[in-house]
Amino acid sequence: DAKTTQPPSMDCAEGRAANLPCNHSTISGNEYVYWYRQIHSQGPQYIIHGLKNNETNEMASLIITEDRKSSTLILPHATLRDTAVYYCIVRTHNNAGNMLTFGGGTRLMVKP
Amino acid sequence: DGGITQSPKYLFRKEGQNVTLSCEQNLNHDAMYWYRQDPGQGLRLIYYSQIVNDFQKGDIAEGYSVSREKKESFPLTVTSAQKNPTAFYLCASRDTSGRALSFYNEQFFGPGTRLTVL
Repeated sequence: DAKTTQPPSMDCAEGRAANLPCNHSTISGNEYVYWYRQIHSQGPQYIIHGLKNNETNEMASLIITEDRKSSTLILPHATLRDTAVYYCIVRTHNNAGNMLTFGGGTRLMVKP
Repeated sequence: DGGITQSPKYLFRKEGQNVTLSCEQNLNHDAMYWYRQDPGQGLRLIYYSQIVNDFQKGDIAEGYSVSREKKESFPLTVTSAQKNPTAFYLCASRDTSGRALSFYNEQFFGPGTRLTVL
């Protein structure tokens, strides 16, 4: 699976949009971009995933660049409860076991 | 309600003792996974199982053992051979049946067990 690079930490004001970047310059054509988040001392929570088109769900939007070498997770109106570590992962859908390879993630701090 | 449960939430053991962490799911998922997380770091895969009675080593399997006798259960034993067992352990499962609306569905994680070896 391709390696991802994320900034170690970010701050965001409550009510504003949080834009979390992820670089995955070695992504291959059959690899998807996944985003998870982990609130302190809890299991990771799935947020969204995409291949090349932008995706949106009730939690967030995922913007993938045309060359697919980077993506941005957007939380449109961040709340204090969005404070967490956000993990960007790229993987195929047919690798053995389909396990997830987590990097260090971005620690998002939403401030009042 | 369907979900994954791990017990206990906090576990303390003396050095040199084996300890077994429980993971149960009632989601009818075939695939199950064990991850370890150390402070400030991402998750690392210990073992995974794609089907009952079968399991594979992950990246850091040394000092751990698992069993998969039932679809619902995937217990992890931390043996005395594991040099740094104190960590947060997470279990996950995934639907691989292809019948779900989203076939390549995300992994569902349990709440985790924090193991401290004294």
